[in-house]
Amino acid sequence: DAGVIQSPRHEVTEMGQEVTLRCKPISGHDYLFWYRQTMMRGLELLIYFNNNVPIDDSGMPEDRFSAKMPNASFSTLKIQPSEPRDSAVYFCASRTGSSPYTEAFFGQGTRLTVV
Amino acid sequence: GEDVEQSLFLSVREGDSSVINCTYTDSSSTYLYWYKQEPGAGLQLLTYIFSNMDMKQDQRLTVLLNKKDKHLSLRIADTQTGDSAIYFCAEPFSGGYNKLIFGAGTRLAVHP
Repeated sequence: DAGVIQSPRHEVTEMGQEVTLRCKPISGHDYLFWYRQTMMRGLELLIYFNNNVPIDDSGMPEDRFSAKMPNASFSTLKIQPSEPRDSAVYFCASRTGSSPYTEAFFGQGTRLTVV
Repeated sequence: GEDVEQSLFLSVREGDSSVINCTYTDSSSTYLYWYKQEPGAGLQLLTYIFSNMDMKQDQRLTVLLNKKDKHLSLRIADTQTGDSAIYFCAEPFSGGYNKLIFGAGTRLAVHP
């Protein structure tokens, strides 16, 4: 398996534009996580899915953020409208099962810059 | 609420041991984790320790847990340049393993 695949790797957009980040989890994994990493706030869990269903979205910063998982092999994180403070690296991760010692595998991240 | 604290930087000479420290707040945490992030990459689980243990060794890695002081440390023996990365300590949020609270990360720099 190629691991968790995120696209694009880098995104530069203007304030007010819609941004869509994409993630393909590892085949067979039933949990998918979206994280955001910034210098100021560190690594934050935004939302996670189990079997394509959103379980906890309490980390989503505001209504401008939305995430979907239409099937087991694809998820999107959308920001509309984007703002400069959304600039960050966004990671997607997936794992199988809910055992506490089962590793979540991370993608390489999407570096978002909103100007 | 849960909080995880780490020092931000550590510089060591190649071949020396590195010790990265972490304090956490939730005494009910049953598992604690160490993750590694290499430049331009996502996080990778390095090791974990169950709260009924006070030490876990895995090759060059030694994890020490002091539950009384809520202190966790990661020791890397014979540190190599390939160990240069950011190391994150993490605990589960309110006992739920799917939501981890990460520390700010300790940037380890290994120099010749």
